[in-house]
Amino acid sequence: GAGVSQSPSNKVTEKGKDVELRCDPISGHTALYWYRQSLGQGLEFLIYFQGNSAPDKSGLPSDRFSAERTGGSVSTLTIQRTQQEDSAVYLCASSPTTRPGKLFFGEGSRLTVL
Amino acid sequence: SQQGEEDPQALSIQEGENATMNCSYKTSINNLQWYRQNSGRGLVHLILIRSNEREKHSGRLRVTLDTSKKSSSLLITASRAADTASYFCATDAGAQKLVFGQGTRLTINP
Repeated sequence: GAGVSQSPSNKVTEKGKDVELRCDPISGHTALYWYRQSLGQGLEFLIYFQGNSAPDKSGLPSDRFSAERTGGSVSTLTIQRTQQEDSAVYLCASSPTTRPGKLFFGEGSRLTVL
Repeated sequence: SQQGEEDPQALSIQEGENATMNCSYKTSINNLQWYRQNSGRGLVHLILIRSNEREKHSGRLRVTLDTSKKSSSLLITASRAADTASYFCATDAGAQKLVFGQGTRLTINP
């Protein structure tokens, strides 16, 4: 596809379950970002991947959160033992540059933890 | 804490009027960007201004940057109903990631 693709678009889960959110960036984009947006709030940085370099995980809120990027392309954000405070929209963005220039965002994955 | 803070948090104007939103930040930056987010959607890039630029235009958008005051403004001229959205500033402070503000919710009344 031409844009950043995220799936699922909506996920409802029970507290304590694990969830996986997927991001397919624009082909050729070396940088990939995950952000979290709580209702009516700004974006909270989670993690950043750049090529084959070690990811910047400084924004992950707890060790229940992890992410990987396979083959420099698709990324999966995993939340283990979900809590109600994890409910938010998880946004993925990609960029063709090593410096944070223009980011191309997906439509997000809305996670609701009951 | 957030690097960028937008002001006002919410703005409601009549169609045809100009809308001005402000962004303040705390540390020196390489560039500052503005994004738009329609309700329930992803963010769309509007404009990027580098630290050595003072003003930039794109269609009905005008962005200014004052690095001495650590502030930026986004002006939308001749507003339209379709401009109703949330607007975010984002700063590149050299840490390889963009830091976003809380956003301004803009409502254009027909």
